Amino acid sequence: GAVVSQHPSWVICKSGTSVKIECRSLDFQATTMFWYRQFPKQSLMLMATSNEGSKATYEQGVEKDKFLINHASLTLSTLTVTSAHPEDSSFYICSAGRPNGLAQYFGPGTRLLVL
Amino acid sequence: SQQGEEDPQALSIQEGENATMNCSYKTSINNLQWYRQNSGRGLVHLILIRSNEREKHSGRLRVTLDTSKKSSSLLITASRAADTASYFCATVSNTGTASKLTFGTGTRLQVTL
Repeated sequence: GAVVSQHPSWVICKSGTSVKIECRSLDFQATTMFWYRQFPKQSLMLMATSNEGSKATYEQGVEKDKFLINHASLTLSTLTVTSAHPEDSSFYICSAGRPNGLAQYFGPGTRLLVL
Repeated sequence: SQQGEEDPQALSIQEGENATMNCSYKTSINNLQWYRQNSGRGLVHLILIRSNEREKHSGRLRVTLDTSKKSSSLLITASRAADTASYFCATVSNTGTASKLTFGTGTRLQVTL
């Protein structure tokens, strides 16, 4: 299967700081990437759809000014959690789908802990 | 978006037994996919079944789909300790963004020796 990487794999930060998470598709060009958030023992909730070269599409209830998404190239999307607070602590996972493909390939996730 | 429901929420079986997980969803779909997640890790795609298919096999996995009942099941035969993980169904709807996945609540499977 395709390889999608995320960096960092985990991060601990103080409340009020901003955290950037990178998602890279390593062996194919992804015009669309997806960002999910997963709380402990819960399912994945889609936060936003990241489109290369255009603005991201956010799901209802997700603050676009707090979760900044940039998809500057066909292999890289970034999620920036601005002014992070303890309630933003979660597992953030990205995925990428091949053009005209059906399955998605998921990154290994980034665990964020905000103190 | 509305999530689907999966049952059971947790399942504990012994190695060699079969494990069956069920998924129900709310909207009409283009396809339904099953994913596996080891604790604290990303998801791995297991199998995809299209809306016009009723059953699909892949190795020890068997998936069924009943669009009239809006439900699917995943059967893992001859389970192994390494199958211990959380399993999620995810649907792709007929409308909206292509490949946008809506995940079910998941089943935590524990396979003991």
